[in-house]
Amino acid sequence: EAQVTQNPRYLITVTGKKLTVTCSQNMNHEYMSWYRQDPGLGLRQIYYSMNVEVTDKGDVPEGYKVSRKEKRNFPLILESPSPNQTSLYFCASNLRRANTGELFFGEGSRLTVL
Amino acid sequence: SQKIEQNSEALNIQEGKTATLTCNYTNYSPAYLQWYRQDPGRGPVFLLLIRENEKEKRKERLKVTFDTTLKQSLFHITASQPADSATYLCALGYSSASKIIFGSGTRLSIRP
Repeated sequence: EAQVTQNPRYLITVTGKKLTVTCSQNMNHEYMSWYRQDPGLGLRQIYYSMNVEVTDKGDVPEGYKVSRKEKRNFPLILESPSPNQTSLYFCASNLRRANTGELFFGEGSRLTVL
Repeated sequence: SQKIEQNSEALNIQEGKTATLTCNYTNYSPAYLQWYRQDPGRGPVFLLLIRENEKEKRKERLKVTFDTTLKQSLFHITASQPADSATYLCALGYSSASKIIFGSGTRLSIRP
């Protein structure tokens, strides 16, 4: 089954404790992206990757890092989480480089930073 | 910067009627526009894409229009059903940029 898998789905952590949210897709998609969703603000892009070893900042990259060492995986790293990073996070992928097609989303990771 | 506005209030529709959701944007016209459905606690699911040179697109009970003069897209669900209740997101894509910008969504409730 074609899917985007995120882990963990739920996480409560404390300020400053490094964490990684994993994302994996099994569709051989070139494009992958991370979004955060907050009430009233919609989905905002954090980082995206056009292909292996190619990543770029989205609209809200501060406090986040990503890597794309393999085509299927695109982990999101919070080196020193802060309470304002409490949010619902989505990973998404798309087949085409130009990203003109549909985005396939994971089920989301709800992060709480105390 | 680009702004996208969707009905901020929830939309309540009687079953069987047509639901119409609005997506307005400012500034630059996108190369294409997409609509997604999102259920509570789930990731968005793609529904339809319409390009800047298309006026209308249909898929089963769904219809999308795109007016680049008005800078507006309308999303219609005909013969609405309670199962159509969800939040619907509008998203704009630009061929020169590698990202899609999302609106904050409209919550639609279909009452039996």
